[in-house]
Amino acid sequence: DSGVTQTPKHLITATGQRVTLRCSPRSGDLSVYWYQQSLDQGLQFLIQYYNGEERAKGNILERFSAQQFPDLHSELNLSSLELGDSALYFCASSVGSSGGWETQYFGPGTRLLVL
Amino acid sequence: AQTVTQSQPEMSVQEAETVTLSCTYDTSESNYYLFWYKQPPSRQMILVIRQEAYKQQNATENRFSVNFQKAAKSFSLKISDSQLGDTAMYFCAFMKHYGGATNKLIFGTGTLLAVQP
Repeated sequence: DSGVTQTPKHLITATGQRVTLRCSPRSGDLSVYWYQQSLDQGLQFLIQYYNGEERAKGNILERFSAQQFPDLHSELNLSSLELGDSALYFCASSVGSSGGWETQYFGPGTRLLVL
Repeated sequence: AQTVTQSQPEMSVQEAETVTLSCTYDTSESNYYLFWYKQPPSRQMILVIRQEAYKQQNATENRFSVNFQKAAKSFSLKISDSQLGDTAMYFCAFMKHYGGATNKLIFGTGTLLAVQP
């Protein structure tokens, strides 16, 4: 158990809908990262938050957004869902991004299926 | 842009034998970090081992060790005394050292390792 929690574990929804994925980082970790794992794109970085502020964006669609709350949990919002958004979404956390490198610990992921 | 290449989509090894997974990367950075993550059938991403590029000594973690060749931009993973529980997808990952900015991971496409009894 990495200490990172993600809910829900599975999500089945229809095209055009909106869903919210939730992540709670390890105790003491300030940075949260979101990654998408799909068959055709592999593992891709989406977005990073550090202590409530957006730090970096990767290959994140405009239909997707995220935020990190004062208690450091994070939510990834996916809207106007398309079939191609079906994937495993991981959240990872690390201590921070101010001192150099830190190991990222991954949550169990949320498996999203868009029908 | 950095890229990570894993040229072996699948590998198989007998239990108790040794296997080496290959990884090459492309970067113009001098300070960076390399990781191997394991993803078993449960789909959980588990850190196996990490290597700081400024360190010449190869990292080891119990049965897992790496062969880090900085000039060749190669970072292979050796698994000794393979166990059935080592069956998983293995991902090589690269992280630039920014110091104050993002530490996003760039992953390879993975190598599926099957340990045979």
